[in-house]
Amino acid sequence: QKEVEQNSGPLSVPEGAIASLNCTYSDRVSQSFFWYRQYSGKSPELIMSIYSNGDKEDGRFTAQLNKASQYVSLLIRDSQPSDSATYLCAVNDYKLSFGAGTTVTVRA
Amino acid sequence: EAGVAQSPRYKIIEKRQSVAFWCNPISGHATLYWYQQILGQGPKLLIQFQNNGVVDDSQLPKDRFSAERLKGVDSTLKIQPAKLEDSAVYLCASSFAVASNTGELFFGEGSRLTVL
Repeated sequence: QKEVEQNSGPLSVPEGAIASLNCTYSDRVSQSFFWYRQYSGKSPELIMSIYSNGDKEDGRFTAQLNKASQYVSLLIRDSQPSDSATYLCAVNDYKLSFGAGTTVTVRA
Repeated sequence: EAGVAQSPRYKIIEKRQSVAFWCNPISGHATLYWYQQILGQGPKLLIQFQNNGVVDDSQLPKDRFSAERLKGVDSTLKIQPAKLEDSAVYLCASSFAVASNTGELFFGEGSRLTVL
């Protein structure tokens, strides 16, 4: 059984700070990795995808992947109150498996 | 472009009753997924269809859950009989490509089930 592990949080950061979210996965053959954002009471939406080792930046979001360590992370720079949500790590080999999510609260 | 449509949005039933959820994916999306999300947990894949064929149903409790995707478009998920532990949000999602090639899923708003 593949596992995707995340710290559940809550992670509380002040507005303007960097929020750092971590995810580890157990299946070494996993090839693609995703971060979904889920606002309270809403459905998940894709915000980042990463396929190769290293960093990938998109606006205020940076995803980092280290396949050797089976580790993927998400950095949110200049955190805003609108970033307050649960962030789900998802790992794909032949199907998409989600972690339990990390809840982020950005304090104004 | 219309998103993934689901109904009903909310359903309250008593244990041992039955319930059915309906999903209409984004037009042209070949792959359809049903996920179960229990409060405080991540979504768990119940079943994945590609067109009208089942790709993965390994985590579907087949003694009480069933799903179909007739004609490769709409899908229904049925629970009969329901148990207390089935209380969750049932998320339908679709994707243009098959799951092995993408993690970009588009989710519907979900159907929240409460079993009393």
